[in-house]
This record gives sequence, structure tokens and C-alpha cells, in this order.
Amino acid sequence: KNEVEQSPQNLTAQEGEFITINCSYSVGISALHWLQQHPGGGIVSLFMLSSGKKKHGRLIATINIQEKHSSLHITASHPRDSAVYICAVSYAHTGNQFYFGTGTSLTVIP
Amino acid sequence: GAVVSQHPSRVICKSGTSVKIECRSLDFQATTMFWYRQFPKQSLMLMATSNEGSKATYEQGVEKDKFLINHASLTLSTLTVTSAHPEDSSFYICSAREGARGNYGYTFGSGTRLTVV
Repeated sequence: KNEVEQSPQNLTAQEGEFITINCSYSVGISALHWLQQHPGGGIVSLFMLSSGKKKHGRLIATINIQEKHSSLHITASHPRDSAVYICAVSYAHTGNQFYFGTGTSLTVIP
Repeated sequence: GAVVSQHPSRVICKSGTSVKIECRSLDFQATTMFWYRQFPKQSLMLMATSNEGSKATYEQGVEKDKFLINHASLTLSTLTVTSAHPEDSSFYICSAREGARGNYGYTFGSGTRLTVV
């Protein structure tokens, strides 16, 4: 069964705090994606990972293939980071469609 | 970077009417288009997958006669909600995959919020 679990579901942080969002999956994947969904609904792809670590500005994504776990970190958080962050995995044997986590709703307070 | 233009962003329609949602890949060829639906506070759920020039593959529980998908060209896919009902009110979003870029080639549209009254 292709399951994707995220934690926490909701997260409130003070501006400037370091934030970590976690994602676990149950079976081997071809790729893991971190997505950002703003209140209006539009989705932006932040990272695509198949191994290791990636960094873009204040965002860092890591993945541990053996442990089937990924983390998204936000350094020096800002109110504009407030959004829902979604972990999604794709499997080669299912035509690379996405399986989504339920998302982490992040609110950064000034 | 790759952009998928999705229109309309919001639509309100009366029960029984049909609504068409368009997704266009602006600067790449979308060999595969995924259509998702999202209810409030829930995760995105895959409705169907379409490859250019082929019939769409629908997920279990999704009525293909109700949700008509057309992917006639490499830059345009449409989802038509036919005979809309209030329970079809939802957020619909497409994701296009550029085949040559493999796992790197996914781009999401901005979504369409459909309200059926």
C-alpha cells in the first residue's frame, strides 16, 4: 500500500524560528517532492529528491532512502512562508503519478 | 521555468450545467497530464491520467462520463465537469509532466475552485 504520512499536521512558529516538517513513506519510491500550497490553492513545486539533500534559499530538503523519510527545513522563517506544505511521492511502477501526504499547515507569526 | 496555465481560477455554475477547465503548458510539451481534486482540509486525490492522443485512465470511483478529459495536443488538456451537482464543488488542479525530463518534469497549474449552486 502506498502511504505517505506527514507530521506535524499544523505548526505555528514565531518569525525567525527554524522549522522542520517530516514525511515518511511505506515503500520504495522513484522520487519525492515537496510542494507548497498557498491559501488561494495554487501549488508550487519546491524540491524533487531521489537522494541526499537540496537547498534553495532558506529551504532545505533531505531524504534518507533507507529509512524512507524526508524532511523539509525552513531557516529564519517569515510570515510569507505561511502555507500548506505537502509531501508527495512517485513510484515508477504506477506510471509516476503522485501520492500525497495530507499536508502540514504552517503559520508564521510576526 | 516550466509554466502551466490553468483557467478559470474560479467558477460558479448552476446545477445541471457543464464547466470546462483548461490547462496549457506554455513552454514545454506535456506528454502526460494528471488531474486532481481536493476537498477542504484534505489531500489531493488523483482523478485521472491522460497521455496526449490517448483516452484518459480514470481512478476507481471517478465517473468518466461525468468528468470528460481531453488531451488532444501536447500543450492543452481539458477537464469538463458535465451536469454539475453541488457535490462536485471542489478545487481541481492539473499537473503536467514533460516526458523528456522524467521525474524533474512535473509542473502544477494554479487550480480551479468550482462552486456549483
